[in-house]
Amino acid sequence: AQSVAQPEDQVNVAEGNPLTVKCTYSVSGNPYLFWYVQYPNRGLQFLLKYITGDNLVKGSYGFEAEFNKSQTSFHLKKPSALVSDSALYFCAVRPPGDYKLSFGAGTTVTVRA
Amino acid sequence: DADVTQTPRNRITKTGKRIMLECSQTKGHDRMYWYRQDPGLGLRLIYYSFDVKDINKGEISDGYSVSRQAQAKFSLSLESAIPNQTALYFCATSDSTGKKGSNQPQHFGDGTRLSIL
Repeated sequence: AQSVAQPEDQVNVAEGNPLTVKCTYSVSGNPYLFWYVQYPNRGLQFLLKYITGDNLVKGSYGFEAEFNKSQTSFHLKKPSALVSDSALYFCAVRPPGDYKLSFGAGTTVTVRA
Repeated sequence: DADVTQTPRNRITKTGKRIMLECSQTKGHDRMYWYRQDPGLGLRLIYYSFDVKDINKGEISDGYSVSRQAQAKFSLSLESAIPNQTALYFCATSDSTGKKGSNQPQHFGDGTRLSIL
């Protein structure tokens, strides 16, 4: 069975500093990996995905994520955080040949001005 | 995502009542999903449907049922609500057709906040 871990419940950074949200996964085979963001009173919005190919994936709002197969990680990064990036972030994994997503517990990001 | 509409947005009800949450989409996607979100647990899949005639249980289907009335509509029912079903419920859709196939992300509605007293 697949699983996703987001080891940090909360991440706090100052505006303009780099932002990293960590994600590790456990799945057989080569996974499909996703990042979503949730703003208050809204549903999840897709940020980016890794399917195959280049390990560095670029997505919406200046976010990127690096797939590391040896460390089974898929960390989300942004070089310079904005106050508007404050939200709840979810990592999700889908094994090849399956169609169901497994979500991590989420990481609350707070960017202070 | 305004293309996935959930009604109602908020609902407070009593233990033992039957409740229906509705989801409709204008994205033309074939696949639809129901999740519940609880603090610290992320999202957990309740049911999913790959087309009108296809219904599948997710990891936490007990106490819930669904109906796929049309490609665009997927409703979730709680036959006899209990307090531990208090949660935020999300409907999502995805598209398995086309060149990119099943690698497409899911698109979420804005959720229904359900409180059971």
